[in-house]
Amino acid sequence: AQSVTQPDIHITVSEGASLELRCNYSYGATPYLFWYVQSPGQGLQLLLKYFSGDTLVQGIKGFEAEFKRSQSSFNLRKPSVHWSDAAEYFCAVGLPGTYKYIFGTGTRLKVLA
Amino acid sequence: EAQVTQNPRYLITVTGKKLTVTCSQNMNHEYMSWYRQDPGLGLRQIYYSMNVEVTDKGDVPEGYKVSRKEKRNFPLILESPSPNQTSLYFCASSFTGYEQYFGPGTRLTVT
Repeated sequence: AQSVTQPDIHITVSEGASLELRCNYSYGATPYLFWYVQSPGQGLQLLLKYFSGDTLVQGIKGFEAEFKRSQSSFNLRKPSVHWSDAAEYFCAVGLPGTYKYIFGTGTRLKVLA
Repeated sequence: EAQVTQNPRYLITVTGKKLTVTCSQNMNHEYMSWYRQDPGLGLRQIYYSMNVEVTDKGDVPEGYKVSRKEKRNFPLILESPSPNQTSLYFCASSFTGYEQYFGPGTRLTVT
């Protein structure tokens, strides 16, 4: 069965430190890959997406993600975290040709001043 | 402004009382979808629609109905709500079916 795993439920980093959030998927082919951010009390906002091509993708707010086919991973990174990045982050996959969409369980990021 | 709107934003109801949560988008998107968000489970897809009159089940469709009579609207219907449907619900729309724009959410409590 298809699945998305975000192994870290909570992550705490200091402001200015680098960040990496992990995402692994299980699917028989390469899915479409996404990262969303949810600020408290808000809906979800798309940070970045991968359909094909260059495996390093840039998104909004200074985020980037790298697709590694051999590891079935799509990790989110940011070189220097800001206090406003505190939120919950969701990795998601879209299954090509099916319109089905699977989310991970989310990683809650806390930023220390 | 391009947006997805949901109404109501908050709803408290009793078991068995039929309710409808409306969703509307102004981006002329063909694809729309409903999700529920529960702590520790992330978002789970309830139903999705690829176009008017075309809908399909997601991962957790039991207890829910949808209809898509107009392109811009995609209401979620709970004909006999139960306490296990207490959750935060999100509607989303998309031009491609993959990059999704989300509404602000509807927090439903069923007592």
